[in-house]
Amino acid sequence: DAGITQSPRYKITETGRQVTLMCHQTWSHSYMFWYRQDLGHGLRLIYYSAAADITDKGEVPDGYVVSRSKTENFPLTLESATRSQTSVYFCASSDQTRTTDNEQFFGPGTRLTVL
Amino acid sequence: KNQVEQSPQSLIILEGKNCTLQCNYTVSPFSNLRWYKQDTGRGPVSLTIMTFSENTKSNGRYTATLDADTKQSSLHITASQLSDSASYICVVSEGTGRRALTFGSGTRLQVQP
Repeated sequence: DAGITQSPRYKITETGRQVTLMCHQTWSHSYMFWYRQDLGHGLRLIYYSAAADITDKGEVPDGYVVSRSKTENFPLTLESATRSQTSVYFCASSDQTRTTDNEQFFGPGTRLTVL
Repeated sequence: KNQVEQSPQSLIILEGKNCTLQCNYTVSPFSNLRWYKQDTGRGPVSLTIMTFSENTKSNGRYTATLDADTKQSSLHITASQLSDSASYICVVSEGTGRRALTFGSGTRLQVQP
């Protein structure tokens, strides 16, 4: 299917486990982003990528690792999950070659619970 | 630090009524301001984008305004429908190379029959 997809949609894990959230987009957008959304907070940027093999930290990167070996995929890994990482995670992509419109297109989200 | 403040945090209105959501920002330099709609259990979807030179833009029953001098924006919803029940998020883009986004925490709107 065209667009941006995330998997899994729901995940329950235990403290200390490694978890990987997947994100895939079919638009060949150069930029991809990972956000977390918690009650009382706006979406907060975890990591972003401007192109394959180029990644950079966002506002809340601690405890997370990303990679981008292919343009269309941008997995997010929690190396050792903690309860504070319980959240809804959104992946987004953007074609920022246009000078004024940097709309981000969001995936459906992954609800992660860390017990 | 760049900030985006939205009010009210939540709002309940009756179907058919109008409402206005507010957004104040301190992002500088400014590039654009976008309103997103986020249905429960889904990712945000863009409703409208405002650039520095625009002060009103409509998208169906949604009308956004921007006052770049006072750094305020509003989203007016006319003749609300049950399907308007969602969170509305104000997002401001920096006018820098990366055009980083600053998100408001959203207004949760509930439209009741």
